[in-house]
Amino acid sequence: GENVEQHPSTLSVQEGDSAVIKCTYSDSASNYFPWYKQELGKGPQLIIDIRSNVGEKKDQRIAVTLNKTAKHFSLHITETQPEDSAVYFCATTTGNQFYFGTGTSLTVIP
Amino acid sequence: GAGVSQSPSNKVTEKGKDVELRCDPISGHTALYWYRQSLGQGLEFLIYFQGNSAPDKSGLPSDRFSAERTGGSVSTLTIQRTQQEDSAVYLCASSSYKGEQFFGPGTRLTVL
Repeated sequence: GENVEQHPSTLSVQEGDSAVIKCTYSDSASNYFPWYKQELGKGPQLIIDIRSNVGEKKDQRIAVTLNKTAKHFSLHITETQPEDSAVYFCATTTGNQFYFGTGTSLTVIP
Repeated sequence: GAGVSQSPSNKVTEKGKDVELRCDPISGHTALYWYRQSLGQGLEFLIYFQGNSAPDKSGLPSDRFSAERTGGSVSTLTIQRTQQEDSAVYLCASSSYKGEQFFGPGTRLTVL
């Protein structure tokens, strides 16, 4: 089955700096790559996603890049704000079961 | 529009009791997933329903766990003879044919 690795497990940045979280996967058939933000006591929330026919997608301060050849994708958050503090999960799917990374706890220091 | 809802939001039970957790997916979503999340941990896949196909039960940790989905909509996760290690947040998610998966708020289960 699919193996998703996520790094780093914890990340602290100063407010206004950028944050980057990386994930690698093993199944070349994976074709959809979502990112989720989970705040304390809440369910994960889909924040951005990318499909295998696209290399990069941007939504305001958040962007995701995908390198299918190397089997890795990354989440980029620019101009970080304290409200970006949360746990972020990457995931992959071939259209059926989803496989999740182990999560990154991001802390934005005011 | 309405998102995925789960009930109850919190459940405290005694060891050995049975519990039922409910999930109402987004209307029209054909796929429904159950996950378990222990404190500070990632998401553990439990079971996956897709349309009228047989569910993928490969993630269920023991035969004390079962789930059903009636009429292709609401799902119930049942845990029989609960144990303390079953304490966790149980998350439900649903997705459409596009593949985008949306989560409910979860049910926090505490087994005393």
